[in-house]
Amino acid sequence: AQRVTQPEKLLSVFKGAPVELKCNYSYSGSPELFWYVQYSRQRLQLLLRHISRESIKGFTADLNKGETSFHLKKPFAQEEDSAMYYCALKRSGGSEKLVFGKGTKLTVNP
Amino acid sequence: DAGITQSPRYKITETGRQVTLMCHQTWSHSYMFWYRQDLGHGLRLIYYSAAADITDKGEVPDGYVVSRSKTENFPLTLESATRSQTSVYFCASSGGSGSPLHFGNGTRLTVT
Repeated sequence: AQRVTQPEKLLSVFKGAPVELKCNYSYSGSPELFWYVQYSRQRLQLLLRHISRESIKGFTADLNKGETSFHLKKPFAQEEDSAMYYCALKRSGGSEKLVFGKGTKLTVNP
Repeated sequence: DAGITQSPRYKITETGRQVTLMCHQTWSHSYMFWYRQDLGHGLRLIYYSAAADITDKGEVPDGYVVSRSKTENFPLTLESATRSQTSVYFCASSGGSGSPLHFGNGTRLTVT
């Protein structure tokens, strides 16, 4: 069965500092990985997907199949990045359902 | 995205009562999902549907019932609510083929 692990429940950084939210997964096949974000009082929304290989709001994430990781990174954190971040996995070629990690609450302090 | 709406936004009910949470989407997405969000557990899938009249269990289906008679609606019913079902419930939809999930605003349910 597939599993997504986000080891940090809480992460606090100062504005301008680099930030990395960790995500590890277990799945025997070729997964599709996503990062979803939930800002205060807003609905969950897609931030990144690994197949797009794009940067959104300064965030990037690279799928490392060797380490089974999909860490989310940003070189200079901003206060508006404070939110709940969820890593999610979808099995390739199959069901559309996503398995989510438990989430990391990021706080960017001024 | 106003295309997916959940109702009610807040609900308080008593143990043992039946309660139905509504979800409606206007995109004609094939796939719809119900997740619950709990501190320390993240998002867990309750049920999902690949099309009208096709539903399947997720990770935590016990105590819940779903139906999908129309593509746009995917109601979630708690047949006999328990305190452990106090949670925030999110409905989501997707067009499939790896397209992203679009989430509703959530329903905060409290079972007393």
